[in-house]
Order: sequence, then C-alpha cells, then structure tokens
Amino acid sequence: GENVEQHPSTLSVQEGDSAVIKCTYSDSASNYFPWYKQELGKGPQLIIDIRSNVGEKKDQRIAVTLNKTAKHFSLHITETQPEDSAVYFCAAVRKGYQKVTFGIGTKLQVIP
Amino acid sequence: DAGVIQSPRHEVTEMGQEVTLRCKPISGHDYLFWYRQTMMRGLELLIYFNNNVPIDDSGMPEDRFSAKMPNASFSTLKIQPSEPRDSAVYFCASSRQGLHGYTFGSGTRLTVV
Repeated sequence: GENVEQHPSTLSVQEGDSAVIKCTYSDSASNYFPWYKQELGKGPQLIIDIRSNVGEKKDQRIAVTLNKTAKHFSLHITETQPEDSAVYFCAAVRKGYQKVTFGIGTKLQVIP
Repeated sequence: DAGVIQSPRHEVTEMGQEVTLRCKPISGHDYLFWYRQTMMRGLELLIYFNNNVPIDDSGMPEDRFSAKMPNASFSTLKIQPSEPRDSAVYFCASSRQGLHGYTFGSGTRLTVV
C-alpha cells in the first residue's frame, strides 16, 4: 500500500519567515496530494491540494510543489503569522481510490 | 451545512466498558471514514464505507472494534471491551465521489482508565 513520509516533525520559525514541509510517497499510482491543517482541539481541515498533472499551485501565502519523478511534494508558507501555528499533514491518494494516506504530521510554531 | 457532526466530544470510561462513538456525515456525501489519532501513530484509517457498505476494514485493530452505517446519515464505532491503549482521538470524515478532499468532524477524545 501507499506510504507517506513527512519531515520535519516539528518546525519553529520567526513571524514573517518562510516555512517548508516536505513529503515523499511510495505509490507511483498516486495522483492527488492534499494538505491538511489541524488546529488544537479541531479536526484536520483541507487547505490546498495538487494533482499529478500540475507541478505547482499557489493560494495567497501557501504554495505546493510536486516532483512526480522523485515522488516528492512540499508545502511552502511565506510571511508566516502566529495563526499559522498548527499541525500540518501531507497526504496521497491513489488514482481511482477514495482512501487518503496521511503523513505523520509537522507541528509548526510561529514565534511572534 | 453543519459539517460532520460527532458525539460525544469527550468520553471517559473504565476499562472493560463498552464505548460507542457516533457520526453524522455531510448530507450528500457517499463516503464515510473513521480515523484514530495518537501521538505515536498519527492518523490511522480504521474503516471506510461507501453508500453505507463497509469497503475496507483492514485498519480495525482487533475484534473488539466494530463499525456500522445503518443509513446514509449515521454511523457508529463501537469498542467492546475497551482497554487503556484505546485512548485516542477518533475522527469521522466524509466525502463525495469525485471530490477527494475529506471533511473531518471535530473528533471524540476517548480516555479509558
């Protein structure tokens, strides 16, 4: 089955700096890669996603990149703010399936 | 839409007792997923349903765990008997065919003492 590895497990940045979270996946049949943000006491919430026919996608301060050949994908947050502090999960979905495989999560702390 | 609704939010029970967690998916969503979250193992898929039928229960840890979906608007996850190692946050999520993004509920924090 699919295996998603995520690092780092924790990340501290100064407010205004950028944060990068990296993931790798194992199943070459995976074609959809969502990212979730989980705030304390809440369920994960989808923040951005990318499909395998696209190399990069941006939404305001958040961007995701995908390297299909290397099976790598990354989340980039620019101009970080304290409200970006949360746990971020990368995930992968195999083509034709609905099941999502999650990475272990990255706890991001933005220091004011 | 009120989103995915889970109850209770918190549950504290004694070892050996039966625990039932409940979930109401978003109307119109035909997939329902049960996840367990712990610090050590992250988000683990326990079971998922499509049109009320269990599709993959390979993540259910053992026979003490069972899940049902009697209709499109309700699902339960039952643990009997409960053990301290079952302590975790249990999430329910739903989605629709062709829409890969899940919507998660707020979770049930289960503590077995």
